[in-house]
Amino acid sequence: EVQLVESGGGLIQPGGSLRLSCAASGFTFSTYDMSWVRQAPGKGLEWISFISHSSSAIYYAGSVKGRFTISRDNAKNSLYLQMNTLRDDDMAVYYCARVTWGFDYWGQGTLVTVSS
Amino acid sequence: EIVLTQSPGTLSLSPGERAALSCRASQSVSSSYLAWYQQKPGQPPRRLIYGASSRATGIPDRISGSGSGTDFTLTISRLEPEDFAVYYCQQYGSAPYTFGQGTRLEIK
Repeated sequence: EVQLVESGGGLIQPGGSLRLSCAASGFTFSTYDMSWVRQAPGKGLEWISFISHSSSAIYYAGSVKGRFTISRDNAKNSLYLQMNTLRDDDMAVYYCARVTWGFDYWGQGTLVTVSS
Repeated sequence: EIVLTQSPGTLSLSPGERAALSCRASQSVSSSYLAWYQQKPGQPPRRLIYGASSRATGIPDRISGSGSGTDFTLTISRLEPEDFAVYYCQQYGSAPYTFGQGTRLEIK
């Protein structure tokens, strides 16, 4: 069974940093591209980053480019999102998703709250 | 960046009725790399359709997708109580992999 489990969310002050993790199981992680998607409270879905299976291709949404860094460790079956210089509008549930003809599997999400 | 515009914003229908949700792209979506997702409160999205018209595993055949280029439609032929949710389209042909703003399907 494919499982994606996010962790690392929490309360952080504006300007702070946070690192999210996504633990993958039930499939050969190293052969799949992955992405992060977020959803602010009561709002729609926003794609924020993509990483190819070998990390050779990485893309970001304009709203996070230069502040967020996506990475992966195929040996640990894990995906990461390093978030720096957090702002109020970064507050959201962050989902990791497997990329296969769209996003076929999603985690349950981890909540990031940005507040002083 | 490809902007996706979904309409209507809210659709009020009764069980048994037919629903048609629209997704219009600001430029052509390459190779019909267009997906539809359903999201219920407190849950992650679930992929329904990929490649504009292919149903994902386990999706009933009363749910279908159509379209190409810049105009896409998700159709639910006979609404069941579990279909009332928010629906998003997404293009994954070129980064950034944008989502539409969503259509809320509510019980009339």
